[in-house]
Amino acid sequence: KAGVTQTPRYLIKTRGQQVTLSCSPISGHRSVSWYQQTPGQGLQFLFEYFSETQRNKGNFPGRFSGRQFSNSRSEMNVSTLELGDSALYLCASSLVSAGVYNEQFFGPGTRLTVL
Amino acid sequence: GDSVTQMEGPVTLSEEAFLTINCTYTATGYPSLFWYVQYPGEGLQLLLKATKADDKGSNKGFEATYRKETTSFHLEKGSVQVSDSAVYFCALSVIGGGSNYKLTFGKGTLLTVNP
Repeated sequence: KAGVTQTPRYLIKTRGQQVTLSCSPISGHRSVSWYQQTPGQGLQFLFEYFSETQRNKGNFPGRFSGRQFSNSRSEMNVSTLELGDSALYLCASSLVSAGVYNEQFFGPGTRLTVL
Repeated sequence: GDSVTQMEGPVTLSEEAFLTINCTYTATGYPSLFWYVQYPGEGLQLLLKATKADDKGSNKGFEATYRKETTSFHLEKGSVQVSDSAVYFCALSVIGGGSNYKLTFGKGTLLTVNP
């Protein structure tokens, strides 16, 4: 079974631009979560989607947004990029079972550099 | 809110040495606890987990016991190998209340094992 895939793997943008990152979950996984990893702040939760609905959101400004499609693929968008948005963005997918934690499987990440 | 504190790195050991990485947590509910590992250039992999007090998670020679009384989940391995060199993250997730799929991570501990 193929793992979580993220595209692109590397991205260089300039301040003020916007960017869209893509995540394809493991087949059958309907929950997709996004995390930002930086040396200073570590790993921080951005948001989680299930059945095309955002169920949970971390403490990030409105410039960070996401969506999920009917095939469970997800995209996240960052508008008006700032230098501090440079980070590794990780996507994770999981099955969904009520009241039970299902393991999140992580993709390799997209490395975003903002110049 | 929920938080995870793990010992600062980096940790440098010789092959076959004993490893301990300390992890303590605070949580608003009853958390599940995890250790993730990140190898260079890769995403996160679940190393082990424990979902209730006194559970011991184990995998690849690594172990951690869920200690509710001390709110701890320390990672141990009796004899490390060079291939164990990676960054290790302690994490928690609280089931329910809309936060099922939000992982809260510690800052990570870089482990380097020398031959």
